[in-house]
Amino acid sequence: AQSVTQLGSHVSVSEGALVLLRCNYSSSVPPYLFWYVQYPNQGLQLLLKYTSAATLVKGINGFEAEFKKSETSFHLTKPSAHMSDAAEYFCAVSVMKGAQKLVFGQGTRLTINP
Amino acid sequence: DTGVSQDPRHKITKRGQNVTFRCDPISEHNRLYWYRQTLGQGPEFLTYFQNEAQLEKSRLLSDRFSAERPKGSFSTLEIQRTEQGDSAMYLCASSLAWDFYNEQFFGPGTRLTVL
Repeated sequence: AQSVTQLGSHVSVSEGALVLLRCNYSSSVPPYLFWYVQYPNQGLQLLLKYTSAATLVKGINGFEAEFKKSETSFHLTKPSAHMSDAAEYFCAVSVMKGAQKLVFGQGTRLTINP
Repeated sequence: DTGVSQDPRHKITKRGQNVTFRCDPISEHNRLYWYRQTLGQGPEFLTYFQNEAQLEKSRLLSDRFSAERPKGSFSTLEIQRTEQGDSAMYLCASSLAWDFYNEQFFGPGTRLTVL
């Protein structure tokens, strides 16, 4: 069964610092991976997706993620944090059989310190 | 098209009451998903439709829950005899069946509070 683990339920960085949010996946087949962001009391917005075309994926708002098969990881990074990046971030894997549902990690809350 | 919409955004009800939520997907999307998100957790899959057919249901979806998508457009999720444990955010998402990567677009959610 496919699954996702996000290391660190809460990450705090200073404005302008590097953001690194960790995601490890488990999948018996080549995975399709997604990062979503959720602002308070809102739904999920897609940041970026990995579809096997390129291992380094660029998304919106300056975020990017690198797929590393050897480490089964898909960590999300941003070189310089902005106050508006404060939100909850979810990594998800697409189950490719049946419903093709998304299986989400438990989320990482990102706090930006001024 | 403005994306996936859900109504209501918030619902407060008393234990034992029935509630119904509505989701309007992106118009050309033929797949529709319901997820439940409890505080501090990621969304969990409940059920999905392709057009009007409900093709899979999670074990999380007890017999008090029912979902419909009668004309393959909007969907409703009904919870009967609500319990405090049903308090959560209910998210709807839609996608195109022929999107190989199954990118799903989410609505703003309905937050249910059962007193």
